Amino acid sequence: KAGVTQTPRYLIKTRGQQVTLSCSPISGHRSVSWYQQTPGQGLQFLFEYFSETQRNKGNFPGRFSGRQFSNSRSEMNVSTLELGDSALYLCASSFTGLAGGPNTGELFFGEGSRLTVL
Amino acid sequence: GQQVMQIPQYQHVQEGEDFTTYCNSSTTLSNIQWYKQRPGGHPVFLIQLVKSGEVKKQKRLTFQFGEAKKNSSLHITATQTTDVGTYFCAGSNYKLTFGKGTLLTVNP
Repeated sequence: KAGVTQTPRYLIKTRGQQVTLSCSPISGHRSVSWYQQTPGQGLQFLFEYFSETQRNKGNFPGRFSGRQFSNSRSEMNVSTLELGDSALYLCASSFTGLAGGPNTGELFFGEGSRLTVL
Repeated sequence: GQQVMQIPQYQHVQEGEDFTTYCNSSTTLSNIQWYKQRPGGHPVFLIQLVKSGEVKKQKRLTFQFGEAKKNSSLHITATQTTDVGTYFCAGSNYKLTFGKGTLLTVNP
């Protein structure tokens, strides 16, 4: 069974540009969540999509957005990039998703997209 | 909002020594998950604890969930160089919240 696939793996952008990252979840998983990882800040939750609907959202500005397609593939977009957006962006898929409570499922992470903003 | 604190932030040990990382939540949790991230890698699920006072073992790793379901620990006995990485806890209540992780380095 193929794992979670994220593209691109590495990218360099300049301030003010925008970027789109893609995530293909494990087959059969309907939940995709996105995390930003920076040194010292750990894993910061961006948002979760389940069956094409945003189900949870973290505390990030509106420049960060996402969507999920009918095949469960997900994209996230960051507009008007800032230097502080440089990070590893991780996507995780799950069968039950971040539903909370005892139904919270195991997350399967992709290898991430490392974004550098110059 | 729900907060999950994890200590220590860093731990350096000699190979063969034991290691423990602790996780504390500001709210009662439904369950807690543990992940390991090797240097340059991505987080990989280790285990999920659900019951109050639950203890689970995976070879040299022992995971505990507190009686009040607000704290958890991961203990590694006789560390090896392959244990190097960052260990994250993630507490679940109405959402899954990650701790900032403990970076473990092992001196051979």
